[in-house]
Amino acid sequence: SAVISQKPSRDICQRGTSLTIQCQVDSQVTMMFWYRQQPGQSLTLIATANQGSEATYESGFVIDKFPISRPNLTFSTLTVSNMSPEDSSIYLCSVVRDSYEQYFGPGTRLTVT
Amino acid sequence: DAKTTQPPSMDCAEGRAANLPCNHSTISGNEYVYWYRQIHSQGPQYIIHGLKNNETNEMASLIITEDRKSSTLILPHATLRDTAVYYCIVRVKAAGNKLTFGGGTRVLVKP
Repeated sequence: SAVISQKPSRDICQRGTSLTIQCQVDSQVTMMFWYRQQPGQSLTLIATANQGSEATYESGFVIDKFPISRPNLTFSTLTVSNMSPEDSSIYLCSVVRDSYEQYFGPGTRLTVT
Repeated sequence: DAKTTQPPSMDCAEGRAANLPCNHSTISGNEYVYWYRQIHSQGPQYIIHGLKNNETNEMASLIITEDRKSSTLILPHATLRDTAVYYCIVRVKAAGNKLTFGGGTRVLVKP
């Protein structure tokens, strides 16, 4: 398995502001993903964080709203920009290692007021 | 990825086996069956996966039918800590292949 940490674990933000979420893994991983889980819903993939290049976004998600960085093989950030109450969700980082199994971080609980 | 169908919820008694069904009738030959669970307010936890043979680990057993169109996750001795949402997912086993989550089964283990 992989040890994955996310910062912050939770935050309350005002409408119109931005929040950057960090994901740190204890060792190098092949792939990193960002998911969103809206209240009472299942997980939805936002994007694949590519090391050294632009992230690959899923349908319905755009770079201007959710810019992602991945400067190396153990770290990634997701920014939620110009937030609205509809962005209130749990944001989860996920990684894949050599075995191709996917592991998830503890999540960041975001509330937008 | 093929879609899966799971019952939205089920109850089971503490100490008894919990059998969680999943239908995946359109699964392709190279797609594996994965099970994850999500305990309240935590990230999803990997449980087990398989291709066509039955699999067992320290957490659970996975029984896949011969035609691979359905499977059952078995928690042999359910505890209160097994209360969670359980997700059955089918996907190709490759580094870049994403997990697509459906609605899952909300399992409540009762004393």
